[in-house]
Amino acid sequence: NAGVTQTPKFRVLKTGQSMTLLCAQDMNHEYMYWYRQDPGMGLRLIHYSVGEGTTAKGEVPDGYNVSRLKKQNFLLGLESAAPSQTSVYFCASSLSGPTGEQYFGPGTRLTVT
Amino acid sequence: AQSVAQPEDQVNVAEGNPLTVKCTYSVSGNPYLFWYVQYPNRGLQFLLKYITGDNLVKGSYGFEAEFNKSQTSFHLKKPSALVSDSALYFCAVRGYQKVTFGTGTKLQVIP
Repeated sequence: NAGVTQTPKFRVLKTGQSMTLLCAQDMNHEYMYWYRQDPGMGLRLIHYSVGEGTTAKGEVPDGYNVSRLKKQNFLLGLESAAPSQTSVYFCASSLSGPTGEQYFGPGTRLTVT
Repeated sequence: AQSVAQPEDQVNVAEGNPLTVKCTYSVSGNPYLFWYVQYPNRGLQFLLKYITGDNLVKGSYGFEAEFNKSQTSFHLKKPSALVSDSALYFCAVRGYQKVTFGTGTKLQVIP
């Protein structure tokens, strides 16, 4: 079991560029989440999904889009990157929703210049 | 809306001493509470959770947490700290369809 994997691990973008972060899990989990982690702010939820084909907004969704076309994959897109989106992005999944523990990927460090 | 407060940015403790990392929460309904640990350049790892039942919850790596409903607290404890416990610790509370994390407490165990 690879658990939760994220691609890429690092990325540098120029302002205005777009990119997609890929999250994959092999645990057959229904729920998947995208967070960003910034110093002193903990983890903030960007978007989440409660099953294949569904997505919902979290606390800080502006500037991001997501898709869950397959149960095992959850994609996070940045349409037009801004320096404020410089952060570490974590994907997570859980079997039983909010009452279940979440399994996290190793993170993607994104810098927008 | 639910919220979590971790009042200490950093906790220092000598190796072998007991440690406590504090967490208070606010949520409607029954609280579902979690602790996670993050080592440098890694994702978060689940330590333990409280759903219902005994107020003292035991978890991984010898950690435990005490749920106190009247004080709305869920403090993380360990009887004897190890240098390898040095990491960033997050408390979290469940709300509707999602979990809210605290800002984290850096634990430094001094040899």
